[in-house]
Amino acid sequence: EIVLTQSPATLSLSPGERVTLSCGASQSISNYLAWYQQKPGQAPRLLIFDASNRATGIPARFSGSGSGTDFTLTISSLEPEDFAVYYCQQRSSWPLSFGQGTRLEIK
Amino acid sequence: QVQLVESGGGLVKPGGSLRLSCAASGFTFSDYFMAWIRQAPGKGLEWISYISSSSSYTNYADSAKGRFTISRDNAKNSLYLQMNSLRAEDTGVYYCAKVLVSSTLFFDYWGQGILVTVSS
Repeated sequence: EIVLTQSPATLSLSPGERVTLSCGASQSISNYLAWYQQKPGQAPRLLIFDASNRATGIPARFSGSGSGTDFTLTISSLEPEDFAVYYCQQRSSWPLSFGQGTRLEIK
Repeated sequence: QVQLVESGGGLVKPGGSLRLSCAASGFTFSDYFMAWIRQAPGKGLEWISYISSSSSYTNYADSAKGRFTISRDNAKNSLYLQMNSLRAEDTGVYYCAKVLVSSTLFFDYWGQGILVTVSS
């Protein structure tokens, strides 16, 4: 089973700042990684798939990179609506797995 | 627009059963793999099961194997999850989700979620 480890667990930042979230895989997953955003009381929202492709309707301030075992999600300039929990997910092998999440808080 | 609406959740005693349903609209349901993903209270996401577009293939997390059964009715645009022998650790919000592209197991649309509580 592939374990995804996200860091940090929590980040406190201000609107306008740039942020990079990390997701590490326990073994190589090529580029088979997605990022989701979840706000309280809502379902997750797909942001990035195949490590670097933005999903439909996702603003350009969100970008993803990485391959193999190390991946990042970057938000170039935080908007108030970006404060949420972010999860990575791999589809390289069974079972599908998610990281434990990074909570992005307003400072 | 794509809509996924779950139903069938609620309070059930340990050892009991529930059948979740997910009504899909706004896309050609029969073209896409579908999945169930759950979230325990205050916790992260856990994939439970997926089913291929024609029901030929199914797969389950170890936590669901032997107890849960995923199925679909393409004529009714509906996805189901039959859950038996429920345990307290099955408590959480259950989401149905549509894959991004035919069989690619990333999920671009999710239902609003349905709460399942397993407690005596």
